[in-house]
Amino acid sequence: AQSVTQLDSQVPVFEEAPVELRCNYSSSVSVYLFWYVQYPNQGLQLLLKYLSGSTLVKGINGFEAEFNKSQTSFHLRKPSVHISDTAEYFCAVSLYNQGGKLIFGQGTELSVKP
Amino acid sequence: DVKVTQSSRYLVKRTGEKVFLECVQDMDHENMFWYRQDPGLGLRLIYFSYDVKMKEKGDIPEGYSVSREKKERFSLILESASTNQTSMYLCASSFGTTYNEQFFGPGTRLTVL
Repeated sequence: AQSVTQLDSQVPVFEEAPVELRCNYSSSVSVYLFWYVQYPNQGLQLLLKYLSGSTLVKGINGFEAEFNKSQTSFHLRKPSVHISDTAEYFCAVSLYNQGGKLIFGQGTELSVKP
Repeated sequence: DVKVTQSSRYLVKRTGEKVFLECVQDMDHENMFWYRQDPGLGLRLIYFSYDVKMKEKGDIPEGYSVSREKKERFSLILESASTNQTSMYLCASSFGTTYNEQFFGPGTRLTVL
């Protein structure tokens, strides 16, 4: 069965520090990979997605993620975070030919402190 | 801009009540989804629909049903609400195939007493 594991439930970090949010997935078939962000009291919005091609994907708000097929990982990074990046981040996979169903990880709460 | 709206932000119901959660999208998307979000569990798919009057079970359909009579509207029904259905419910929609992003509504926080 397919699954997504986000290795850290909470990540506290100081403003302007770099951050990495880790995501590993398990699947026997091809997948598409997504990172979504949920700001407090809001729905989710797409940060970035990997479909094919270059394994380094750039998204909104200065975030990027790298797809590593051999390690089945899709870690999210930002070189310098802001207070406004405080949110919950979800990694998700969509299975090829499964009509857009997403399997989500447990979420990582990023808390940026001044 | 794509907009997905949900009928209520907060809802309080009693055990045994029938509960309707409504979701409307304005971008003519074929696909619509209902998730529940619980701390430490992420989002789990309850039901989804690829077209009007079509529905498929997700990972946790027990205790829920859905209705899609019009393309823009997807309703989640709790036939007899129970306390373990207290949760945040998120609706989403997407266009076409597997790799298109889903657009989410703001969520409904349901409390069942």
